[in-house]
Amino acid sequence: GESVGLHLPTLSVQEGDNSIINCAYSNSASDYFIWYKQESGKGPQFIIDIRSNMDKRQGQRVTVLLNKTVKHLSLQIAATQPGDSAVYFCAEKDSGNTPLVFGKGTRLSVIA
Amino acid sequence: GAVVSQHPSRVICKSGTSVKIECRSLDFQATTMFWYRQFPKQSLMLMATSNEGSKATYEQGVEKDKFLINHASLTLSTLTVTSAHPEDSSFYICSAGSTGGRAKNIQYFGAGTRLSVL
Repeated sequence: GESVGLHLPTLSVQEGDNSIINCAYSNSASDYFIWYKQESGKGPQFIIDIRSNMDKRQGQRVTVLLNKTVKHLSLQIAATQPGDSAVYFCAEKDSGNTPLVFGKGTRLSVIA
Repeated sequence: GAVVSQHPSRVICKSGTSVKIECRSLDFQATTMFWYRQFPKQSLMLMATSNEGSKATYEQGVEKDKFLINHASLTLSTLTVTSAHPEDSSFYICSAGSTGGRAKNIQYFGAGTRLSVL
């Protein structure tokens, strides 16, 4: 099995480039997906969400894509900025007031 | 987005003491609050779910007598780490969700509490 304390996957991008962060989820019954951004020493911050009846949703500089066939979620950040450097988590849940299940997270490092 | 306030942001205590962490939803009513624990470079691990006015539901492996959760009102949940030991040192984060309003389906998170037990 996976050992405790593995480093998070890291994505390094040049400032101004687009970033794509991927996430594979496990529960085919999940109805709702959220991307969170977590800066060091802080709580997760909501970025964008998408329901299972959609395959794409756009926000300001961010786009979330959902492929239910392969249970894959991605977050695209346009024109990445140094302030985007953080750990990004995908999270899934079913309908109702149930807790989110978080993915492992990806560290995004923006090179100025 | 909705605002969740968590206090304190950092606490250092001696082994054997108890520590209380507060989580408040400031601009919406949180029928459900969640408590997570996060180790360095790892994802968030759900500890328990608390519903206003009822007992918390703990995840497997989480000691309910060690991590006491109270959700006495729609805007406040507390987590008390009783008789803390060094292995309880971690980053604790609360989140609040609601069945309606702006926070529906979304969990908004507090800023977290860094607990260090000496």
